Amino acid sequence: DAKTTQPTSMDCAEGRAANLPCNHSTISGNEYVYWYRQIHSQGPQYIIHGLKNNETNEMASLIITEDRKSSTLILPHATLRDTAVYYCIVRGGGSNYKLTFGKGTLLTVNP
Amino acid sequence: KAGVTQTPRYLIKTRGQQVTLSCSPISGHRSVSWYQQTPGQGLQFLFEYFSETQRNKGNFPGRFSGRQFSNSRSEMNVSTLELGDSALYLCASSLDGKPNEKLFFGSGTQLSVL
Repeated sequence: DAKTTQPTSMDCAEGRAANLPCNHSTISGNEYVYWYRQIHSQGPQYIIHGLKNNETNEMASLIITEDRKSSTLILPHATLRDTAVYYCIVRGGGSNYKLTFGKGTLLTVNP
Repeated sequence: KAGVTQTPRYLIKTRGQQVTLSCSPISGHRSVSWYQQTPGQGLQFLFEYFSETQRNKGNFPGRFSGRQFSNSRSEMNVSTLELGDSALYLCASSLDGKPNEKLFFGSGTQLSVL
């Protein structure tokens, strides 16, 4: 799986949009970009995933650059409950059965 | 639809003992995978089961094993426990384990080895 690079931590004001970047410059054409988040001592929660096109669901939006080497997760109106570690994961190819987690970004939403 | 259920939620064992953890996937999901999470190593893949067969395995010693039953429920076993096995063990399920499928995680079993 391609390696991902994320900032270690970010802050966001409550009610504002949170934009979490991720670099995946070695991504292959058939690999998906996934985002999960984890609140302390709970299981990771699926947020969104995409291949080439931008995606939006009830939780977030995923913007993937045209060359697919980076992406941004957008939480449109962050709340205190969005404080968590966010993982950007590239999945597919020969190891499609697993997720390879990096260290993620600790997003802290401040009141 | 019920989510992924893991039991027990907490477990305390001593070195040398063995432990069995249980995971019930979402109904209809046939792929079950297991992960270990520690503060030092983060989340690491243990193995994945599909249709009662171990399909893939991570880099863990043979003390870590698992199985899957015909109803897709899975168990994970760790024998001869070591202090370093203290971790949060997470189970995840998906329909068939394909790369475009979401994985749904349970709340995990927190294992403490004393």
